[in-house]
Amino acid sequence: EVQLLESGGGLVQPGGSLRLSCTASGITFSSYAMSWVRQAPGKGLEWVSGISAGGGNTYYADSVKGRFTISRDNSKNTLYLQVNSLRAEDTAVYYCAKVYGGAYYFDFWGQGALVTVSS
Amino acid sequence: EIVLTQSPATLSLSPGDRATLSCRASQSVGSSLAWYQQKPGQAPRLLIYDASNRATGIPTRFSGSGSGTDFTLTISSLEPEDFAVYYCQQRGNWPLTFGGGTRVDIK
Repeated sequence: EVQLLESGGGLVQPGGSLRLSCTASGITFSSYAMSWVRQAPGKGLEWVSGISAGGGNTYYADSVKGRFTISRDNSKNTLYLQVNSLRAEDTAVYYCAKVYGGAYYFDFWGQGALVTVSS
Repeated sequence: EIVLTQSPATLSLSPGDRATLSCRASQSVGSSLAWYQQKPGQAPRLLIYDASNRATGIPTRFSGSGSGTDFTLTISSLEPEDFAVYYCQQRGNWPLTFGGGTRVDIK
């Protein structure tokens, strides 16, 4: 059974930082690209960032470019998202999602980590 | 950035009804479009990929069609568990984008 478990969310002040983690089980983690997708309270889905299976290629939404960094440690089956210079509009549930095969669709999702940016 | 516009925003139907949801792209994405279902408090679930292919375990009452800029998700006969929010997503161009969602609720 595929499981993706996010951690690291919480309350942070504007301008602050957090590191989100997503630990995978039930898959050969190193074989799949992964992504982060977020959802602000009561709003729709927004793709945030993606990373190739080996970690050599990364992709970002314009809204987070330069502030967020995606990375992975395949030896630990773990995906990360370093989020810096946080703004109120970054408040959201952050989901990690497994990419389906070679296509950037998402066939497995974690349950999400809530990040709240507020003073 | 490719903008995906979903319509209608809300669809009020009864169990057994046919649901037709639309997703229009601001430029062609070929067949590189997926549909997801999301229920309250849950993560999204992949229903359809590459416009018309059902994902593993998805019932046959869900079908997708379209290419280029116009796509449709059809639920042939609504079951009680189908009342949810549905999103489309394109992977034809970076950045990946989602539509704003269509809520299917009980009439």
